[in-house]
Amino acid sequence: NAGVMQNPRHLVRRRGQEARLRCSPMKGHSHVYWYRQLPEEGLKFMVYLQKENIIDESGMPKERFSAEFPKEGPSILRIQQVVRGDSAAYFCASSILGGSDTQYFGPGTRLTVL
Amino acid sequence: ILNVEQSPQSLHVQEGDSTNFTCSFPSSNFYALHWYRWETAKSPEALFVMTLNGDEKKKGRISATLNTKEGYSYLYIKGSQPEDSATYLCASINTGGFKTIFGAGTRLFVKA
Repeated sequence: NAGVMQNPRHLVRRRGQEARLRCSPMKGHSHVYWYRQLPEEGLKFMVYLQKENIIDESGMPKERFSAEFPKEGPSILRIQQVVRGDSAAYFCASSILGGSDTQYFGPGTRLTVL
Repeated sequence: ILNVEQSPQSLHVQEGDSTNFTCSFPSSNFYALHWYRWETAKSPEALFVMTLNGDEKKKGRISATLNTKEGYSYLYIKGSQPEDSATYLCASINTGGFKTIFGAGTRLFVKA
């Protein structure tokens, strides 16, 4: 059973471009979480999704950021018109049941905005 | 307490020492507490999920306790080994939306 997959592992974008980060949860997992780690900071919750539904997006910036977890395919975190402050490591995690269930983390995508 | 706080921020111990860290979290609307181990250049790895007041969990030389009424959890490592060197994170989940709030972590260095 493959672990949580994230791609790309490294992404470089220029200011104003779009960044798309992908997360394939573990097989059988229908709950996905996205976290951001800014330089010298800890993990910050962004959004919690269950297949086709956003459960909690209270950690998402109000503008330029969106997330989806379609019925088929990976979860996508989309950042439009990136700015230098978006440079960070973005981790996703998945779980079978959600709630208090164990979350399994992917390797992260390191986004650099030039 | 409004946030999840961990102490100490970092800890240096000798091989064979036993050590413990603290995680403080909001006790209102508590749902679950997670402990993770995060080695450099790897992903956070789940250690324990704890939900009930008084819970005690154990995995090899590592154990954890939970007090939901006062909002704290302790993680203990018995006989530390160099391979225990990592950042130990705790995360609290509340009943309002199941948002996961991480502490900043305790960075453990075990010297051989």
